[in-house]
Amino acid sequence: EAQVTQNPRYLITVTGKKLTVTCSQNMNHEYMSWYRQDPGLGLRQIYYSMNVEVTDKGDVPEGYKVSRKEKRNFPLILESPSPNQTSLYFCASRGAGYLYEQYFGPGTRLTVT
Amino acid sequence: AQRVTQPEKLLSVFKGAPVELKCNYSYSGSPELFWYVQYSRQRLQLLLRHISRESIKGFTADLNKGETSFHLKKPFAQEEDSAMYYCALRIQGAQKLVFGQGTRLTINP
Repeated sequence: EAQVTQNPRYLITVTGKKLTVTCSQNMNHEYMSWYRQDPGLGLRQIYYSMNVEVTDKGDVPEGYKVSRKEKRNFPLILESPSPNQTSLYFCASRGAGYLYEQYFGPGTRLTVT
Repeated sequence: AQRVTQPEKLLSVFKGAPVELKCNYSYSGSPELFWYVQYSRQRLQLLLRHISRESIKGFTADLNKGETSFHLKKPFAQEEDSAMYYCALRIQGAQKLVFGQGTRLTINP
């Protein structure tokens, strides 16, 4: 089954404790993105990647890092999480063609205390 | 800057009534517009895109470049349409989707 998976689905952590949210897709997609979803703000892009070793900042990259060492994986790293990073995070992927749709993962709800 | 505006955070209609979810965009180039839906406890999924000019689950949306709008419509709402709806804009040549704030649609029985 074609899908985007994320782990963990729920995470409660404390300020400053480094964490990684994994994202994996099995569709051989070139493009992958991370979004955060906040009430009243919709989804905002954090980082995106156009292929292996090619990443770029989205609209709200501060406090986040990403890597794309393999085509299927696109982890999101919070080196020193802060309470304002409490949010619902979505990973997404799509193929390179013009008509390819974007597939979203199930979401990771992160709480930073 | 590119922007997508959904003026209604909440929209409530009765089953069988017509539904219109508003979406306006701001973009100087040629827009590519989408509607995504998020049912309770589920991931976002594509509902429809303007380029396909299709009807999905009874929903349609027409791109009006003069009014820079892409409103989502359904003539007869059903209870299973209750969900969060997001309008999104893809900038030409870019890999970013710009989302609106979302509209929570509730269909009352």
